[in-house]
Amino acid sequence: EPEVTQTPSHQVTQMGQEVILRCVPISNHLYFYWYRQILGQKVEFLVSFYNNEISEKSEIFDDQFSVERPDGSNFTLKIRSTKLEDSAMYFCASSRSSGRTGELFFGEGSRLTVL
Amino acid sequence: AQRVTQPEKLLSVFKGAPVELKCNYSYSGSPELFWYVQYSRQRLQLLLRHISRESIKGFTADLNKGETSFHLKKPFAQEEDSAMYYCALSFPTSGTYKYIFGTGTRLKVLA
Repeated sequence: EPEVTQTPSHQVTQMGQEVILRCVPISNHLYFYWYRQILGQKVEFLVSFYNNEISEKSEIFDDQFSVERPDGSNFTLKIRSTKLEDSAMYFCASSRSSGRTGELFFGEGSRLTVL
Repeated sequence: AQRVTQPEKLLSVFKGAPVELKCNYSYSGSPELFWYVQYSRQRLQLLLRHISRESIKGFTADLNKGETSFHLKKPFAQEEDSAMYYCALSFPTSGTYKYIFGTGTRLKVLA
């Protein structure tokens, strides 16, 4: 059964460094999402991506964040200059459709630790 | 603003006991609601959606628009139901749909 895959599973970085988190969504899916979960807190929406552009982004998704789908298979989240508060589990999700029939398929997550 | 509230962080029940995981939402339009589950060391996955009106693994959830609730219920809990449960709301925005999640409830089913 096809799955969303994410790499790396865990990354440790120094504050101020750039980080790229990679996701390979399920191949026939059209909608892509990034969520994050700070330890002990809720799964927070960051950004959604459809038709090669951002369709919605949250207040968290400021200028430090960017997303790309560079080659039609990967979907990346870049954090330009990491802060301590960016430490979280980042989840990628994809879906074939959205709304009432949409089911989000999640990756296993990338844990980011900023020191 | 749109919001999903799950008031219980942890719910412990004994095997065979009924379970109810609470979810309330805030949305002015017609809501699309889902329950997602995360078993230990597994990824987050869809459990059920309100539009399907189905029972999955013995779980059901009824949308109550008057009370703006979508509680998840199971009459007899099993140990394998122990997991993290997230209620989610989907609504249209900018030509697509956005999904937001509650804080989650950890269900522990005790032997």
